Amino acid sequence: AQTVTQSQPEMSVQEAETVTLSCTYDTSENNYYLFWYKQPPSRQMILVIRQEAYKQQNATENRFSVNFQKAAKSFSLKISDSQLGDTAMYFCAFMKTGTASKLTFGTGTRLQVTL
Amino acid sequence: NAGVMQNPRHLVRRRGQEARLRCSPMKGHSHVYWYRQLPEEGLKFMVYLQKENIIDESGMPKERFSAEFPKEGPSILRIQQVVRGDSAAYFCASSPPGLAGVGETQYFGPGTRLLVL
Repeated sequence: AQTVTQSQPEMSVQEAETVTLSCTYDTSENNYYLFWYKQPPSRQMILVIRQEAYKQQNATENRFSVNFQKAAKSFSLKISDSQLGDTAMYFCAFMKTGTASKLTFGTGTRLQVTL
Repeated sequence: NAGVMQNPRHLVRRRGQEARLRCSPMKGHSHVYWYRQLPEEGLKFMVYLQKENIIDESGMPKERFSAEFPKEGPSILRIQQVVRGDSAAYFCASSPPGLAGVGETQYFGPGTRLLVL
């Protein structure tokens, strides 16, 4: 079974600064997908970014980028130029390829962006 | 294109009653997933369905919980004889048809908050 670990329960960053959220996972699979989802106070789950394990290039979406280290099974999220609207819970998630396409989530990191 | 819709958004039930949660996937999506989020925890997979078929129910409790995704209409998650421990947020997600949904991004609905008194 896959496991996803987020070792930072809470983090804080000042507006306009950069912050990195950590995520590690454990799997015996070679092909899989990794995701970061954001859950703001509204509790809606919003996709932030997605990475295919077979791609060496790190995914980027505007101010959000990942550092994917396959050998180390690490998948960190970097948020640049943090904005107040980035305040949310951030969940790292794993999906293996195959017919059982369920997501396995970490326990989340609560990010607070301050003035 | 409307997103994933869930209703009701909030549901209050007394112990022993039944709860029915509905999910309408995004237009064109044929894969539906249900997840449960207990307070202060991450989401946990419950069940994965395609039209008229349960593909993976490995996360579903063996008793009192059932799910369906009929040919017409929304997907339904049904909880019979609710207990206080069922209080949680229940999220539905959908993904477009692909190779059995392999690797397809899941888009989430706003969730249903169930409170059992």
